[in-house]
Amino acid sequence: GQNIDQPTEMTATEGAIVQINCTYQTSGFNGLFWYQQHAGEAPTFLSYNVLDGLEEKGRFSSFLSRSKGYSYLLLKELQMKDSASYLCAVRDSNYQLIWGAGTKLIIKP
Amino acid sequence: TAGITQAPTSQILAAGRSMTLRCTQDMRHNAMYWYRQDLGLGLRLIHYSNTAGTTGKGEVPDGYSVSRANTDDFPLTLASAVPSQTSVYFCASSDLAGDLDTQYFGPGTRLTVL
Repeated sequence: GQNIDQPTEMTATEGAIVQINCTYQTSGFNGLFWYQQHAGEAPTFLSYNVLDGLEEKGRFSSFLSRSKGYSYLLLKELQMKDSASYLCAVRDSNYQLIWGAGTKLIIKP
Repeated sequence: TAGITQAPTSQILAAGRSMTLRCTQDMRHNAMYWYRQDLGLGLRLIHYSNTAGTTGKGEVPDGYSVSRANTDDFPLTLASAVPSQTSVYFCASSDLAGDLDTQYFGPGTRLTVL
């Protein structure tokens, strides 16, 4: 079967750096997405990786290793507004997105 | 630009009743999707449509039906609701153009079936 694993919850301090990991086992791979979802709101797109390596976008970076079935989202200079759930999703051989359950990130002052 | 709108925002429904969740996008995207989101689980695809006039089944299609009469609208119908269909339902769209093909989500409909 297809599986996306992420930690359920993480806690970090304002101003610090946090890394959210995602491992996947899917039938085929056509890209990996990270979305942010604030409580009670819709998911919004953060980043996309299809080749191995690091993609940097401001305070957020995303890394992919296809051989290891592994990705992480790195958030720097954490702000209180970064408190949200972070969803990892893999596009499979049918071009459908398979979603992880999400990681709830709690930021403390 | 409104993006994607969904209606209603929330609904309480008696088991056995039917209901249609509405979804409209104004981005002229080819593809549209219906997901359900339950606590502790990832978003699960119910049905999708890659273009007007065509639909396909996702991971959890049983108990749901969809139609895609035009590009903008993609309603989801529950013919006879059951309590296990209590969930938050998200509609999404993408333009299926290029490798990125980002999905954009509506605000969601919170449905409770009693």
